[in-house]
Amino acid sequence: SQTIHQWPATLVQPVGSPLSLECTVEGTSNPNLYWYRQAAGRGLQLLFYSVGIGQISSEVPQNLSASRPQDRQFILSSKKLLLSDSGFYLCAWTGTRNTIYFGEGSWLTVV
Amino acid sequence: AQSVTQLDSQVPVFEEAPVELRCNYSSSVSVYLFWYVQYPNQGLQLLLKYLSGSTLVKGINGFEAEFNKSQTSFHLRKPSVHISDTAEYFCAVSDLAGGYNKLIFGAGTRLAVHP
Repeated sequence: SQTIHQWPATLVQPVGSPLSLECTVEGTSNPNLYWYRQAAGRGLQLLFYSVGIGQISSEVPQNLSASRPQDRQFILSSKKLLLSDSGFYLCAWTGTRNTIYFGEGSWLTVV
Repeated sequence: AQSVTQLDSQVPVFEEAPVELRCNYSSSVSVYLFWYVQYPNQGLQLLLKYLSGSTLVKGINGFEAEFNKSQTSFHLRKPSVHISDTAEYFCAVSDLAGGYNKLIFGAGTRLAVHP
């Protein structure tokens, strides 16, 4: 069966520090991958999606970037975090019949 | 572009009472609709989905939803809720206009089940 893993689950980072969140999908090949953000008291916002290795599209301009170095690996990064980057980050992938499944999420607090 | 409106930000209900969480979406030629549940400090779990076929779809944990094309609605229902159903519920629609599956979410409805 397919599974998706995200790490770290929680992190507290100072303003101006770098960020790296990782996501790995198992049990499938060439999935569409996504990064969503859920800010406090707000809905879910699509940040990036990827249809293949090295193919990244951004939905909104921001302080973040994404990379897909391997078929089932998706990384969310920042060179310098802002306070506004705080939130709950969710990796997701598209399974059969256009159904999107989510990872456990990563809580980021920028202080 | 697709959009989703969840009409209630919070729904309080007593245990064993029925509940309906409302969701409306913007019209489209074809549409895939989803309900997800988020328990505190966790990711999103798929409750149910409508892709085609029967307009009444059944999901996990006793939830069901009805797709109504004429009213562009996809309301979630449960005949008898439990304390453990307390969570945030998100309605979502697939937007395939960009050539890939992009989920558009509503703002969420917080269901609070009281004893």
